[in-house]
Amino acid sequence: AQSVTQLDSQVPVFEEAPVELRCNYSSSVSVYLFWYVQYPNQGLQLLLKYLSGSTLVKGINGFEAEFNKSQTSFHLRKPSVHISDTAEYFCAVSGGFKTIFGAGTRLFVKA
Amino acid sequence: GAVVSQHPSWVICKSGTSVKIECRSLDFQATTMFWYRQFPKQSLMLMATSNEGSKATYEQGVEKDKFLINHASLTLSTLTVTSAHPEDSSFYICMILGTSGREQYFGPGTRLTVT
Repeated sequence: AQSVTQLDSQVPVFEEAPVELRCNYSSSVSVYLFWYVQYPNQGLQLLLKYLSGSTLVKGINGFEAEFNKSQTSFHLRKPSVHISDTAEYFCAVSGGFKTIFGAGTRLFVKA
Repeated sequence: GAVVSQHPSWVICKSGTSVKIECRSLDFQATTMFWYRQFPKQSLMLMATSNEGSKATYEQGVEKDKFLINHASLTLSTLTVTSAHPEDSSFYICMILGTSGREQYFGPGTRLTVT
């Protein structure tokens, strides 16, 4: 079975500042890892995913994440955020079949 | 990648009635579809795994008699919320996996409000 923990429920940050949203997972099998963004009253949009290979994954909108197997983490980063990045971010883990989501992190970008 | 649609995108119904939500894979034959539920300001919780031509597999705590799932074809799965109550008001999202199991395709979601 897999589990996902997003360590911060809310992250306030000023515009143009860097941000890191933390995600830890546990699994007894190899996993695929995902980050999704959800804007108010909308569905999920895939930011990036780790399937295999390079542990540094680049996604859309300037986001990137690094898979750290020893620390079982998959933290999401962006060097400079915009107001439009304000949204809910979900980390998800899949053992190749079921996908389990973290509780979500609300990123709030302030002017 | 695959395109997944859901119908309706939103629905309001009276307490005690039943509501059917469709999830369609428009360009991909999906033997398995997943149904998630998202309450306001919460995360997505897996409700059930829908398998084409067989019974769905429900997660612990999800009432199979209340949430009827039918996966009659490789491109369509339906979720029927029977005798809906206000506590069933939620955002329902379906997802399919790509052939390798590594690609995920989500539908846009259906917002159900039970009055």
